[in-house]
Amino acid sequence: NAGVTQTPKFQVLKTGQSMTLQCAQDMNHNSMYWYRQDPGMGLRLIYYSASEGTTDKGEVPNGYNVSRLNKREFSLRLESAAPSQTSVYFCASSDGTGTGVQPQHFGDGTRLSIL
Amino acid sequence: QKEVEQDPGPLSVPEGAIVSLNCTYSNSAFQYFMWYRQYSRKGPELLMYTYSSGNKEDGRFTAQVDKSSKYISLFIRDSQPSDSATYLCAMRISGYSTLTFGKGTMLLVSP
Repeated sequence: NAGVTQTPKFQVLKTGQSMTLQCAQDMNHNSMYWYRQDPGMGLRLIYYSASEGTTDKGEVPNGYNVSRLNKREFSLRLESAAPSQTSVYFCASSDGTGTGVQPQHFGDGTRLSIL
Repeated sequence: QKEVEQDPGPLSVPEGAIVSLNCTYSNSAFQYFMWYRQYSRKGPELLMYTYSSGNKEDGRFTAQVDKSSKYISLFIRDSQPSDSATYLCAMRISGYSTLTFGKGTMLLVSP
């Protein structure tokens, strides 16, 4: 029962470097999400993909890009990392927009430090 | 005013206490309400969910929604040290895939 798998679990980057965070889900979910979590700020939505082939900005999209590679995979890219992007990044998935609670299921996060 | 307000705590209680965790919200369009538990260095995991108003019970946990007051609660009976975690409330509007989260309340249960 893998659920949502994120790689890598930890990463240290230098300012200006680029990096892609990977996320895959095995629950056949339609929607996928990327969040960042910072102390005192809670979970903030960066980008989401309501269905395969679509992506939308969340609350804090600046400095990030995403790709919904297929139904299972949703990647987050930092093109030129900045110290302000030091955070814990979570990927989540859910069934989508229909009726019912449709909760999101989370991975265990990627801890990213940018020096 | 944030859409969802949640006291960050920490809330410290002795083992066996009854714990009450709460969120208030401003958007009356929210219909689905969830509670997540997040242990240190782990992702949030779904604990309970409810639809519209009313109560839902699952073992030692009870989720309560009062839509007229725009207030949701999570009660934990006979709290255990293993309940020590951050609890996040989350809400969804029907037809939208995104959730609105509270910032989370840190709970510490001492033996």
